[in-house]
Amino acid sequence: GAVVSQHPSWVICKSGTSVKIECRSLDFQATTMFWYRQFPKQSLMLMATSNEGSKATYEQGVEKDKFLINHASLTLSTLTVTSAHPEDSSFYICSAYPGGLPAFFGQGTRLTVV
Amino acid sequence: EDQVTQSPEALRLQEGESSSLNCSYTVSGLRGLFWYRQDPGKGPEFLFTLYSAGEEKEKERLKATLTKKESFLHITAPKPEDSATYLCAVLPSGGSYIPTFGRGTSLIVHP
Repeated sequence: GAVVSQHPSWVICKSGTSVKIECRSLDFQATTMFWYRQFPKQSLMLMATSNEGSKATYEQGVEKDKFLINHASLTLSTLTVTSAHPEDSSFYICSAYPGGLPAFFGQGTRLTVV
Repeated sequence: EDQVTQSPEALRLQEGESSSLNCSYTVSGLRGLFWYRQDPGKGPEFLFTLYSAGEEKEKERLKATLTKKESFLHITAPKPEDSATYLCAVLPSGGSYIPTFGRGTSLIVHP
């Protein structure tokens, strides 16, 4: 299957700082990538759709100024959590379609804000 | 609105004890139904795609089936390494590529 790689796998940051998470498609080009957030024992919650070369589309209730998404190339999308606070602590996952179904997911990033 | 309901929420099995996980769905036209496995602290790992009623897919001890209203993931003679959360998702027909996920079934297989 196609490979989607996320970095870092885990990060701890201080409250008020910003954190960048990278999502790369390693063996295919992805014009669209998706960012999810997952709380313990909950399913995936779609945060936004990242479109290469254009603005991301955010789901209702997701603060676009807090969760900055940049999709600068066909293989890389980044999610920056700005001015992070403890309530932003969560598991963030990206996914992409390699030109057809299904979607493949990255390994996820555990963010802890202290 | 598309909906996916998975049952049971949690399932404990003894090694070798076969069982099935259920995924009931309502969708306005089905483009595809997907099963993923998710280990703690990891992203979902793709297992199967099913496209139409009557279709079946198999991989090792897992077999996925599809009807017009639900899908089953059958686990035959499970092993402890099959312990994980199994997620079901549906993708509606149309222009959107945003799937709707169920909450998952947490499976624990005891040796």
